[in-house]
Amino acid sequence: DTEVTQTPKHLVMGMTNKKSLKCEQHMGHRAMYWYKQKAKKPPELMFVYSYEKLSINESVPSRFSPECPNSSLLNLHLHALQPEDSALYLCASSPHRGANYGYTFGSGTRLTVV
Amino acid sequence: AQSVTQPDIHITVSEGASLELRCNYSYGATPYLFWYVQSPGQGLQLLLKYFSGDTLVQGIKGFEAEFKRSQSSFNLRKPSVHWSDAAEYFCAVGALRDDKIIFGKGTRLHILP
Repeated sequence: DTEVTQTPKHLVMGMTNKKSLKCEQHMGHRAMYWYKQKAKKPPELMFVYSYEKLSINESVPSRFSPECPNSSLLNLHLHALQPEDSALYLCASSPHRGANYGYTFGSGTRLTVV
Repeated sequence: AQSVTQPDIHITVSEGASLELRCNYSYGATPYLFWYVQSPGQGLQLLLKYFSGDTLVQGIKGFEAEFKRSQSSFNLRKPSVHWSDAAEYFCAVGALRDDKIIFGKGTRLHILP
């Protein structure tokens, strides 16, 4: 299995809702990442998990809350989002922490906040 | 700080023609360089990567890239494009013991039939 699977593929939520994005990989990778990509822009790093521990938070607002319950699973909990948070949220993984490995990306969750 | 510049926002080529997408990077140490491709509404797929050694790197789907340290460039090439190559292409840079991969702004490739 050489894939990163993200669910759901599409999500529409109101500003008072609580929702979660899920990311799963079975490649034995020990580093996982959340990226945010606005339309016609490059992906921007949000969080890095290494061995299930949060190692980087790129000053992301607290309305985004990551969680790594085990080495295969990465969640992004969403609460009280704003319309400007609408974007494609990409999950990625790599064998270990470090940019030298390159990342395997999932297909993303298209989030719309209304 | 490391950065990546893709000077062309859009490139249009005819099917069967050759392709070169430009990428320039800025980094103090030896960088790790990547090219990713993204089809509309999809995630990113790694085409190829350069760490060290041979400066001409072969990737998937018939793509190759050449690392030129003197020009701080890592241009992507393909001898003959197919309609299915129409997509957004991102050049990216990372470094040893650095968690971040920094992406360029991307080049949108259009293919004329």
